[in-house]
Amino acid sequence: SQTIHQWPATLVQPVGSPLSLECTVEGTSNPNLYWYRQAAGRGLQLLFYSVGIGQISSEVPQNLSASRPQDRQFILSSKKLLLSDSGFYLCALGQGHEKLFFGSGTQLSVL
Amino acid sequence: GDSVTQMEGPVTLSEEAFLTINCTYTATGYPSLFWYVQYPGEGLQLLLKATKADDKGSNKGFEATYRKETTSFHLEKGSVQVSDSAVYFCALLTQGGSEKLVFGKGTKLTVNP
Repeated sequence: SQTIHQWPATLVQPVGSPLSLECTVEGTSNPNLYWYRQAAGRGLQLLFYSVGIGQISSEVPQNLSASRPQDRQFILSSKKLLLSDSGFYLCALGQGHEKLFFGSGTQLSVL
Repeated sequence: GDSVTQMEGPVTLSEEAFLTINCTYTATGYPSLFWYVQYPGEGLQLLLKATKADDKGSNKGFEATYRKETTSFHLEKGSVQVSDSAVYFCALLTQGGSEKLVFGKGTKLTVNP
Protein backbone atom coordinates (compact mmCIF):
# COMPACT_ATOMS: atom_id res chain seq x y z
CA SER A 1 0.00 0.00 0.00
CA GLN A 2 1.06 3.57 -0.56
CA THR A 3 2.68 5.38 2.34
CA ILE A 4 3.79 8.98 2.69
CA HIS A 5 6.44 10.00 5.18
CA GLN A 6 6.54 13.68 5.97
CA TRP A 7 8.61 15.35 8.67
CA PRO A 8 8.90 17.12 10.96
CA ALA A 9 5.36 17.35 12.33
CA THR A 10 5.96 20.80 13.78
CA LEU A 11 8.64 23.36 13.13
CA VAL A 12 9.36 26.79 14.53
CA GLN A 13 11.79 28.91 12.56
CA PRO A 14 12.94 32.54 12.78
CA VAL A 15 12.34 34.96 9.93
CA GLY A 16 15.20 34.85 7.46
CA SER A 17 16.24 31.29 8.23
CA PRO A 18 16.30 28.53 5.59
CA LEU A 19 13.74 25.77 5.29
CA SER A 20 13.80 22.21 4.08
CA LEU A 21 10.77 19.94 4.35
CA GLU A 22 11.13 16.43 3.07
CA CYS A 23 8.52 14.05 1.80
CA THR A 24 9.20 10.46 0.82
CA VAL A 25 6.75 7.90 -0.48
CA GLU A 26 6.65 4.13 -0.52
CA GLY A 27 4.61 1.49 -2.26
CA THR A 28 4.41 3.18 -5.62
CA SER A 29 6.59 4.15 -8.52
CA ASN A 30 6.62 7.26 -10.67
CA PRO A 31 3.86 8.98 -8.70
CA ASN A 32 2.70 12.55 -9.15
CA LEU A 33 3.76 14.45 -6.05
CA TYR A 34 2.28 17.64 -4.65
CA TRP A 35 2.95 20.25 -2.00
CA TYR A 36 -0.10 21.99 -0.55
CA ARG A 37 -0.25 24.71 2.07
CA GLN A 38 -3.06 25.78 4.33
CA ALA A 39 -2.55 29.22 5.78
CA ALA A 40 -4.68 30.40 8.69
CA GLY A 41 -8.23 31.11 7.53
CA ARG A 42 -7.59 29.97 3.99
CA GLY A 43 -8.17 26.83 2.01
CA LEU A 44 -5.60 24.35 0.86
CA GLN A 45 -3.51 25.90 -1.86
CA LEU A 46 -1.46 23.93 -4.34
CA LEU A 47 2.13 25.17 -4.31
CA PHE A 48 4.03 22.72 -6.52
CA TYR A 49 3.47 19.50 -8.32
CA SER A 50 5.85 17.09 -9.99
CA VAL A 51 5.22 14.39 -12.54
CA GLY A 52 8.74 13.00 -12.46
CA ILE A 53 12.35 13.40 -11.35
CA GLY A 54 13.53 16.94 -11.89
CA GLN A 55 10.14 18.09 -13.16
CA ILE A 56 8.58 20.80 -11.03
CA SER A 57 5.58 23.00 -11.79
CA SER A 58 4.91 26.02 -9.66
CA GLU A 59 1.36 27.14 -9.15
CA VAL A 60 1.91 30.45 -7.43
CA PRO A 61 4.83 32.88 -7.26
CA GLN A 62 6.30 32.81 -3.80
CA ASN A 63 9.27 32.56 -1.55
CA LEU A 64 9.45 28.77 -1.80
CA SER A 65 10.97 26.26 -4.19
CA ALA A 66 10.65 22.53 -4.68
CA SER A 67 12.89 19.78 -5.95
CA ARG A 68 12.51 16.14 -6.80
CA PRO A 69 15.94 14.54 -6.71
CA GLN A 70 14.58 10.98 -6.67
CA ASP A 71 11.41 9.33 -7.86
CA ARG A 72 10.02 9.00 -4.35
CA GLN A 73 11.41 12.14 -2.76
CA PHE A 74 9.95 15.61 -2.90
CA ILE A 75 11.53 18.52 -1.04
CA LEU A 76 10.14 21.95 -0.23
CA SER A 77 12.72 24.65 0.44
CA SER A 78 13.26 28.29 1.15
CA LYS A 79 16.47 30.30 1.43
CA LYS A 80 14.94 32.93 3.72
CA LEU A 81 11.63 32.40 5.46
CA LEU A 82 9.04 35.14 5.71
CA LEU A 83 6.31 35.53 8.32
CA SER A 84 3.77 34.83 5.59
CA ASP A 85 5.29 31.37 5.04
CA SER A 86 3.69 30.15 8.26
CA GLY A 87 1.10 27.51 7.67
CA PHE A 88 0.32 23.83 7.46
CA TYR A 89 2.19 22.06 4.67
CA LEU A 90 0.92 18.84 3.18
CA CYS A 91 2.67 16.49 0.82
CA ALA A 92 0.47 14.35 -1.38
CA LEU A 93 0.87 11.67 -4.01
CA GLY A 94 -1.43 10.42 -6.68
CA GLN A 95 -1.85 8.73 -9.96
CA GLY A 96 -4.10 11.27 -11.51
CA HIS A 97 -5.52 14.09 -9.43
CA GLU A 98 -8.63 12.24 -8.38
CA LYS A 99 -6.87 9.84 -6.06
CA LEU A 100 -4.71 11.89 -3.83
CA PHE A 101 -3.13 10.44 -0.70
CA PHE A 102 -1.90 12.95 1.82
CA GLY A 103 0.85 12.89 4.42
CA SER A 104 0.22 13.96 8.00
CA GLY A 105 1.55 17.45 7.40
CA THR A 106 4.02 19.88 8.93
CA GLN A 107 2.89 22.85 10.97
CA LEU A 108 5.39 25.63 10.29
CA SER A 109 5.50 28.72 12.47
CA VAL A 110 7.77 31.53 11.38
CA LEU A 111 8.50 33.98 14.19
CA GLY B 1 -10.80 31.20 -11.36
CA ASP B 2 -12.27 28.06 -9.92
CA SER B 3 -13.08 28.23 -6.21
CA VAL B 4 -14.83 26.43 -3.38
CA THR B 5 -16.74 28.03 -0.54
CA GLN B 6 -17.73 26.00 2.48
CA MET B 7 -19.42 26.99 5.69
CA GLU B 8 -17.25 28.46 8.38
CA GLY B 9 -16.70 26.42 11.48
CA PRO B 10 -16.29 25.27 14.02
CA VAL B 11 -19.38 23.11 14.22
CA THR B 12 -20.24 21.44 17.52
CA LEU B 13 -22.92 18.76 17.72
CA SER B 14 -24.13 16.18 20.15
CA GLU B 15 -23.89 12.51 19.28
CA GLU B 16 -26.69 11.28 16.99
CA ALA B 17 -27.45 14.80 15.74
CA PHE B 18 -27.95 15.52 12.05
CA LEU B 19 -25.02 17.08 10.22
CA THR B 20 -24.95 19.38 7.22
CA ILE B 21 -21.82 21.15 6.00
CA ASN B 22 -22.57 23.43 3.09
CA CYS B 23 -20.30 23.65 0.07
CA THR B 24 -20.74 25.67 -3.11
CA TYR B 25 -18.38 26.04 -5.99
CA THR B 26 -17.50 28.26 -8.93
CA ALA B 27 -15.97 26.54 -11.89
CA THR B 28 -15.72 26.42 -15.64
CA GLY B 29 -17.51 23.41 -17.03
CA TYR B 30 -18.50 20.48 -14.85
CA PRO B 31 -15.77 19.61 -12.38
CA SER B 32 -15.60 16.51 -10.23
CA LEU B 33 -16.41 17.24 -6.58
CA PHE B 34 -14.95 15.76 -3.42
CA TRP B 35 -15.12 15.74 0.33
CA TYR B 36 -11.89 15.07 2.19
CA VAL B 37 -11.59 14.44 5.93
CA GLN B 38 -8.68 14.95 8.29
CA TYR B 39 -8.94 13.17 11.63
CA PRO B 40 -6.82 14.50 14.51
CA GLY B 41 -3.18 13.63 14.02
CA GLU B 42 -3.72 12.04 10.62
CA GLY B 43 -3.37 13.04 7.00
CA LEU B 44 -6.16 14.03 4.68
CA GLN B 45 -8.13 11.20 3.17
CA LEU B 46 -10.81 11.05 0.55
CA LEU B 47 -14.27 10.63 2.07
CA LEU B 48 -16.49 10.63 -1.01
CA LYS B 49 -16.76 12.03 -4.51
CA ALA B 50 -19.16 12.70 -7.38
CA THR B 51 -18.14 13.13 -10.99
CA LYS B 52 -21.27 14.43 -12.68
CA ALA B 53 -24.54 16.24 -12.03
CA ASP B 54 -27.05 14.43 -9.80
CA ASP B 55 -24.45 11.87 -8.71
CA LYS B 56 -24.54 11.02 -5.02
CA GLY B 57 -21.31 10.15 -3.26
CA SER B 58 -21.54 8.18 -0.04
CA ASN B 59 -19.21 6.62 2.51
CA LYS B 60 -19.29 5.85 6.24
CA GLY B 61 -22.86 7.16 6.49
CA PHE B 62 -21.96 10.48 4.86
CA GLU B 63 -23.64 11.60 1.64
CA ALA B 64 -23.32 14.48 -0.79
CA THR B 65 -25.21 15.12 -4.02
CA TYR B 66 -23.78 17.02 -6.98
CA ARG B 67 -26.30 19.79 -7.67
CA LYS B 68 -25.49 21.57 -10.89
CA GLU B 69 -28.42 23.97 -10.69
CA THR B 70 -27.27 25.33 -7.34
CA THR B 71 -23.54 24.59 -7.84
CA SER B 72 -23.52 22.84 -4.48
CA PHE B 73 -22.18 19.66 -2.89
CA HIS B 74 -23.40 19.73 0.69
CA LEU B 75 -22.18 17.03 3.07
CA GLU B 76 -24.79 15.31 5.25
CA LYS B 77 -24.97 12.59 7.85
CA GLY B 78 -28.10 11.53 9.64
CA SER B 79 -26.56 10.60 12.98
CA VAL B 80 -23.04 11.69 13.87
CA GLN B 81 -20.71 9.90 16.24
CA VAL B 82 -17.87 11.13 18.43
CA SER B 83 -15.48 9.43 16.02
CA ASP B 84 -16.66 11.77 13.24
CA SER B 85 -14.88 14.68 14.92
CA ALA B 86 -12.48 15.95 12.28
CA VAL B 87 -11.87 18.72 9.76
CA TYR B 88 -13.83 18.34 6.53
CA PHE B 89 -12.68 19.84 3.23
CA CYS B 90 -14.77 20.30 0.12
CA ALA B 91 -12.80 20.28 -3.12
CA LEU B 92 -13.21 20.36 -6.88
CA LEU B 93 -11.02 19.07 -9.65
CA THR B 94 -10.39 21.75 -12.22
CA GLN B 95 -10.76 20.83 -15.85
CA GLY B 96 -8.52 21.63 -18.73
CA GLY B 97 -4.91 21.01 -19.51
CA SER B 98 -3.59 21.40 -15.97
CA GLU B 99 -5.93 19.60 -13.63
CA LYS B 100 -5.59 20.24 -9.94
CA LEU B 101 -7.62 20.04 -6.78
CA VAL B 102 -8.97 23.29 -5.37
CA PHE B 103 -9.97 23.11 -1.72
CA GLY B 104 -12.30 25.03 0.54
CA LYS B 105 -11.09 26.38 3.87
CA GLY B 106 -12.18 23.36 5.85
CA THR B 107 -14.83 22.99 8.55
CA LYS B 108 -13.91 21.64 11.95
CA LEU B 109 -16.55 19.34 13.42
CA THR B 110 -16.61 18.38 17.08
CA VAL B 111 -19.10 15.77 18.25
CA ASN B 112 -19.72 15.55 21.98
CA PRO B 113 -20.98 12.39 23.70
